[in-house]
Amino acid sequence: AQSVTQLGSHVSVSEGALVLLRCNYSSSVPPYLFWYVQYPNQGLQLLLKYTSAATLVKGINGFEAEFKKSETSFHLTKPSAHMSDAAEYFCAVSEAGGGADGLTFGKGTHLIIQP
Amino acid sequence: GAVVSQHPSWVICKSGTSVKIECRSLDFQATTMFWYRQFPKQSLMLMATSNEGSKATYEQGVEKDKFLINHASLTLSTLTVTSAHPEDSSFYICSASPVAGVLRNQETQYFGPGTRLLVL
Repeated sequence: AQSVTQLGSHVSVSEGALVLLRCNYSSSVPPYLFWYVQYPNQGLQLLLKYTSAATLVKGINGFEAEFKKSETSFHLTKPSAHMSDAAEYFCAVSEAGGGADGLTFGKGTHLIIQP
Repeated sequence: GAVVSQHPSWVICKSGTSVKIECRSLDFQATTMFWYRQFPKQSLMLMATSNEGSKATYEQGVEKDKFLINHASLTLSTLTVTSAHPEDSSFYICSASPVAGVLRNQETQYFGPGTRLLVL
């Protein structure tokens, strides 16, 4: 069975500082990994995804994530936080591809940006 | 492209009534649609997977007789919460997986904006 662990339900950073949101996964097969962002009362927007190509994945809004098989991690980073980045972030895993089966989500990390 | 809509965006109903939520893929055809539920300040939990023209597959612990799913076409899936109770109050989000083609190759499912259900 697949699972996702997001360390830290809340992360607070200053505007302009590095953003690091942690995600560890468990999967019995090579996984597909995703990061989604959710703004209040809205659905999910895909930030980026890993599908066994390059281990460093670049996404939208300046975010990127690195797949590390040895650490079973897929941490999300952004060099310089912006106020508009304040939102809920979800890491998700799929074993059959992002479109073929339902995703298993982590519990989410609420990102707070301090001015 | 790849827009998914949900209707209604929010609904308030009395306990014991049924509520239907629609999920539409507006600019692509969807082989598969998924229904998730999100309780306040919690993650999304997959409820069921529906494929056009066949019965939905429900996740363990989800009552199929309470949450009726119909996927009558490649662009529409509906979730009906039957005899709703206050504990069914939640944020229901659907997603759609495109049929073969450019979008399919992106190995992504596209999410709707969600429907907030409040049962009084």
